[in-house]
Amino acid sequence: QKEVEQNSGPLSVPEGAIASLNCTYSDRGSQSFFWYRQYSGKSPELIMFIYSNGDKEDGRFTAQLNKASQYVSLLIRDSQPSDSATYLCAGRGSNYKLTFGKGTLLTVNP
Amino acid sequence: GAGVSQSPSNKVTEKGKDVELRCDPISGHTALYWYRQRLGQGLEFLIYFQGNSAPDKSGLPSDRFSAERTGESVSTLTIQRTQQEDSAVYLCASSLDSVAYEQYFGPGTRLTVT
Repeated sequence: QKEVEQNSGPLSVPEGAIASLNCTYSDRGSQSFFWYRQYSGKSPELIMFIYSNGDKEDGRFTAQLNKASQYVSLLIRDSQPSDSATYLCAGRGSNYKLTFGKGTLLTVNP
Repeated sequence: GAGVSQSPSNKVTEKGKDVELRCDPISGHTALYWYRQRLGQGLEFLIYFQGNSAPDKSGLPSDRFSAERTGESVSTLTIQRTQQEDSAVYLCASSLDSVAYEQYFGPGTRLTVT
């Protein structure tokens, strides 16, 4: 069974702090990883994807991948109340299907 | 440009009835995916269409579920003899092709089976 695990949270951080979201996966065949943001009652939207070991930065967001440890993370710097949402981690293998975790609820307090 | 659209946005049905959900992908997108999201859960893959290739139906939970897609256009997901456990949000996504990283999601159909 291919699984993606996330801490369901809620993760609560003060405005301006760094939010750290973590994800582990069981399928070593997974080749690329995705972070989606989902506001309550809305559909997911892609934040970042990563397929190489190391860090990938885009604005306030940094994705980190460690294939040896089967670990993916998303860092959000200078967190804003508008970042409050559920963050979904997903892995994709050679069959192009996404396997999603259950998501981590992030709350950024003003 | 227009995004992925789904209809209806909400559907309430009685147990045992059949329902049909519709997805209009972004024009030119050859790959189309259906997912199910139960309350408080992540997305569960159901089925994937890529161009004229045979669909990947490996995520369909039972034979009560089926889906069709005509060419690279509209897709319909049909649930026969609905059960209460079918209550969920059904999300459709499309991407330029199967290799493209970004899947664009529609707003979803919230299905409630009473």
